[in-house]
Amino acid sequence: GAVVSQHPSWVICKSGTSVKIECRSLDFQATTMFWYRQFPKKSLMLMATSNEGSKATYEQGVEKDKFLINHASLTLSTLTVTSAHPEDSSFYICSARDRLSTDTQYFGPGTRLTVL
Amino acid sequence: AQKITQTQPGMFVQEKEAVTLDCTYDTSDPSYGLFWYKQPSSGEMIFLIYQGSYDQQNATEGRYSLNFQKARKSANLVISASQLGDSAMYFCAMREGLSGGSNYKLTFGKGTLLTVNP
Repeated sequence: GAVVSQHPSWVICKSGTSVKIECRSLDFQATTMFWYRQFPKKSLMLMATSNEGSKATYEQGVEKDKFLINHASLTLSTLTVTSAHPEDSSFYICSARDRLSTDTQYFGPGTRLTVL
Repeated sequence: AQKITQTQPGMFVQEKEAVTLDCTYDTSDPSYGLFWYKQPSSGEMIFLIYQGSYDQQNATEGRYSLNFQKARKSANLVISASQLGDSAMYFCAMREGLSGGSNYKLTFGKGTLLTVNP
């Protein structure tokens, strides 16, 4: 399957700081990437759809100004958690859509964010 | 109504035996895709297998096969010859609409935690 990388794999930050997470599709071009959040022992919750060259589409209840998404190229999307608070601590995982095959979403390894 | 239902929160299987993980789905769209992902404790989501709604045959990928029963709207994952490394959370997911189309969001089930015993 296709390879998606995510960086960093884990990050600890102080409350009030911003954290940037990168998602890269390594062996295919992804015009669409997705950002999910996962709480312990729960399923994935879609936060937003990242579209190359245009604004991201956010799911209901997700704060656009809190979670900034930029899809700068066909292989890179970034999620910036601004003014992070302890309640933002979670596992964030991205996926990239391989539209040319069976339209499968391939996932990155995830980023565990802990806000102190 | 839930679009993807996984009724088994947890399953146990003996090493080398086969196990079936249940998944039922609900959609009125004649075009859809069904996916299974594996999530080990490390957190990464590993794509296992895909079944398109128009596919005539059940999908197979190595030890994974998908028992696709369209009339019953079920897409159960069968893992043959279980290995200790198969212990993980397994998620069933559905994309409604044609592959490559404008509707590309995935709806996930709540997952099934599989434990393989030695």
